[in-house]
Amino acid sequence: KNQVEQSPQSLIILEGKNCTLQCNYTVSPFSNLRWYKQDTGRGPVSLTIMTFSENTKSNGRYTATLDADTKQSSLHITASQLSDSASYICVVTFKAAGNKLTFGGGTRVLVKP
Amino acid sequence: GAVVSQHPSRVICKSGTSVKIECRSLDFQATTMFWYRQFPKQSLMLMATSNEGSKATYEQGVEKDKFLINHASLTLSTLTVTSAHPEDSSFYICSAGRGAGKETQYFGPGTRLLVL
Repeated sequence: KNQVEQSPQSLIILEGKNCTLQCNYTVSPFSNLRWYKQDTGRGPVSLTIMTFSENTKSNGRYTATLDADTKQSSLHITASQLSDSASYICVVTFKAAGNKLTFGGGTRVLVKP
Repeated sequence: GAVVSQHPSRVICKSGTSVKIECRSLDFQATTMFWYRQFPKQSLMLMATSNEGSKATYEQGVEKDKFLINHASLTLSTLTVTSAHPEDSSFYICSAGRGAGKETQYFGPGTRLLVL
């Protein structure tokens, strides 16, 4: 069973609206939790990175939150733009796995005008 | 900083031929590089970890004789898909580790391989 689960699998939103993506992980402790944006046919690009002790991290219109107690993270996109259409991947680095990256399945976001 | 490039960006080859993909860290030295493959609508799957000057470590189920990895310098790793078959068609992405350990990885733009 994948130790990092993301929801929803896909999402369609109208330009200008906000949306929130979820990431649940099942094993801790971890070194860090990252959110990546992956455009179609491109490699992932890091949006945010949080360590165990951090609760929130922002990067422009992207804000990630982390609740270590419930083992949940979310990525909030504010005032979405057409260029936000991409897959968003939650990646956790688990210490027990030798700091190997564990990828969530991703959420595909489509922003429509 | 922390730019990783891949070459080629896409390649089409005939079944049975070998294809080499290069991964370069352009502005930093990477003692560790990683190779992933990604099928449509799926997430990245780690194939192998390569360390400069030593043999690569392959994930379970990945054939080391089919996917040859060479990490001859601190800025270059290559993945050679030998005797490629249509089922090897995929998106191959490399990443380079920067900093203390594996957790800090910067991804390349990926290489689309189509085997006819």
